[in-house]
Amino acid sequence: EPEVTQTPSHQVTQMGQEVILRCVPISNHLYFYWYRQILGQKVEFLVSFYNNEISEKSEIFDDQFSVERPDGSNFTLKIRSTKLEDSAMYFCASSEGRRVDQPQHFGDGTRLSIL
Amino acid sequence: RKEVEQDPGPFNVPEGATVAFNCTYSNSASQSFFWYRQDCRKEPKLLMSVYSSGNEDGRFTAQLNRASQYISLLIRDSKLSDSATYLCVVPLRDGYALNFGKGTSLLVTP
Repeated sequence: EPEVTQTPSHQVTQMGQEVILRCVPISNHLYFYWYRQILGQKVEFLVSFYNNEISEKSEIFDDQFSVERPDGSNFTLKIRSTKLEDSAMYFCASSEGRRVDQPQHFGDGTRLSIL
Repeated sequence: RKEVEQDPGPFNVPEGATVAFNCTYSNSASQSFFWYRQDCRKEPKLLMSVYSSGNEDGRFTAQLNRASQYISLLIRDSKLSDSATYLCVVPLRDGYALNFGKGTSLLVTP
């Protein structure tokens, strides 16, 4: 079964540094998403991306965050100047469409630790 | 009302038991709903999509009550491997991004 893949599985970064998280969505999917989950808390939506542009974003997704699809396969999340509170599990997801029978499938996440 | 609210549990049940989880949501315009399962420190995995009045898949049954804005998940004949956190998920008000509940923790014991 095709799956969403994310790299790296764990990223440790000094506060203030830039970090790029990478995702390869399922190949025929058109909609891409980033979510995060702070330890012990619920999964939170960050941003969705379709047709090479952001379609929705949450209040969490401020100017420090950006997303890009640099080629036909990768989908990246960049955090420009990391803060301690950015420490979380970051999940990428993708879906074929937006119908109810086209649900979002999640990658296994990148654990981001800010020191 | 919180957008998606779930009883956090934990629910501790013996193998073979039937267990039910409830979820309430605030967005009355929502048309589709999902139950995801999350194992410790792993990604959410889709368990069931819920639309119209409900859905059944083997030992799992999801029911939807639009009037009460309430979704339930019933697990029959619990297995040890059912131990996980069950996430009630509703698309966000303004689009199709998902709004997750905090989850209900289930532990099935021998």
